[in-house]
Amino acid sequence: GIQVEQSPPDLILQEGANSTLRCNFSDSVNNLQWFHQNPWGQLINLFYIPSGTKQNGRLSATTVATERYSLLYISSSQTTDSGVYFCAVGLMDSSYKLIFGSGTRLLVRP
Amino acid sequence: GAVVSQHPSWVICKSGTSVKIECRSLDFQATTMFWYRQFPKQSLMLMATSNEGSKATYEQGVEKDKFLINHASLTLSTLTVTSAHPEDSSFYICSARDLDDNEQFFGPGTRLTVL
Repeated sequence: GIQVEQSPPDLILQEGANSTLRCNFSDSVNNLQWFHQNPWGQLINLFYIPSGTKQNGRLSATTVATERYSLLYISSSQTTDSGVYFCAVGLMDSSYKLIFGSGTRLLVRP
Repeated sequence: GAVVSQHPSWVICKSGTSVKIECRSLDFQATTMFWYRQFPKQSLMLMATSNEGSKATYEQGVEKDKFLINHASLTLSTLTVTSAHPEDSSFYICSARDLDDNEQFFGPGTRLTVL
């Protein structure tokens, strides 16, 4: 089956710093989503980005589908950015299933 | 954005009892809903795909008689954990896909503790 790898697994930042999170996948996909899981477990949709580049405030994401990777950029990090960031990819079939990576655990210190 | 709710948000039950978890899409219709399970400090694992009006499709290794799924309408799917045991304790999360969209939206999750 498809493999989804995220790096780094853990990241500690000082407030105000920038960071880049990476998601590699082993096969073609028709969907890629980035999520932030808050301390209560809720998954917040950050980006739906099967290809191209999108920006939303301090966050932006780029997916290069032909090279099978996606990047999530966080600029001017804040303590509220702490949590786990997941990427998930959708298979190239009609199932609409999402396969999750193992996540990046981010801690932003004041 | 699309909103998905889950009920209850947490439940504690005795071993051997059954627990039902509801997943609702509040402002859109979802022909397909998904159920995931997450253990502490781990990623989400897909358990099953719930299709409105048809039988659920279970992932390999998931017992369909243990985890009963019913998708009664375009806005409601339920997961029933039958004869729950302590090893079933976990965080259960559902997601839903809009009819005309490929993006999935997730519920807030249900934390199940089996004593």
